Amino acid sequence: GAVVSQHPSRVICKSGTSVKIECRSLDFQATTMFWYRQFPKQSLMLMATSNEGSKATYEQGVEKDKFLINHASLTLSTLTVTSAHPEDSSFYICSASQLAGGDTQYFGPGTRLTVL
Amino acid sequence: DQQVKQNSPSLSVQEGRISILNCDYTNSMFDYFLWYKKYPAEGPTFLISISSIKDKNEDGRFTVFLNKSAKHLSLHIVPSQPGDSAVYFCAASAGTGANNLFFGTGTRLTVIP
Repeated sequence: GAVVSQHPSRVICKSGTSVKIECRSLDFQATTMFWYRQFPKQSLMLMATSNEGSKATYEQGVEKDKFLINHASLTLSTLTVTSAHPEDSSFYICSASQLAGGDTQYFGPGTRLTVL
Repeated sequence: DQQVKQNSPSLSVQEGRISILNCDYTNSMFDYFLWYKKYPAEGPTFLISISSIKDKNEDGRFTVFLNKSAKHLSLHIVPSQPGDSAVYFCAASAGTGANNLFFGTGTRLTVIP
C-alpha cells in the first residue's frame, strides 16, 4: 500500500514553455502533498506543501508564480513550472501524507526535467 | 543552512558485515527522524523512523539509534546485503509526524558481494 505515482517520469522542453507534473496517491487519500526538488549531489529541498482544496504554502525563496501547485482532490496534486528556464532543470519529487499533521510521507518516483 | 547533515558522502561495506550510517542535526526542535533509501532516478523509499521519546527503534535488519544530547542519529544495517546498495537520506521534522521534512545530503552505501 501507500503508492505514489508521478507523471511524466522524464520531460525535455524548450526554454519559455510550461511543464505540468502530476502526482497521484494510488491507494490512499492524501490530505497533504509535498513537492521537493533535488539538484545533483544535494539533498531534497522542500518547495511547497499543499493541502487538498487550499492554497499551497511555499518555502522561502520559491516563486509561487513560477511553480504553480494545485491540489484539487485527495489523490492528485500538480506542479506546473511556468516559463521554464535551463536553471529549472532538476529532479522534482512529490510525496503524500495520509493524515494532516502526521504520518510518514510516501514519495513518488520523481520527474527529471530538462530545459533546453 | 543545512540543519541535517550527513558528513559521509559514501560508505563501502562487505556483504554480511554491519553498515553504519550517521546523521547529525542542529535544530533542537526536531523530534521526529526518518531514514529513506533512494535508488537512482527514483523517489525515496521510507525505511524506518524514530520519535524523540525513544533512543532506539528496530525493524528487521534495520535499527535506528538516537542520541538527543549529541543531536546525532545512526542507521545500522546488519547483515548488509548487496541489495542495500543505494543512497540513504536522513530526514528530520519538528512537531507531530513527518511534515516539513529537512533532509541530509545523503550517503551512498555500496555493499560489496
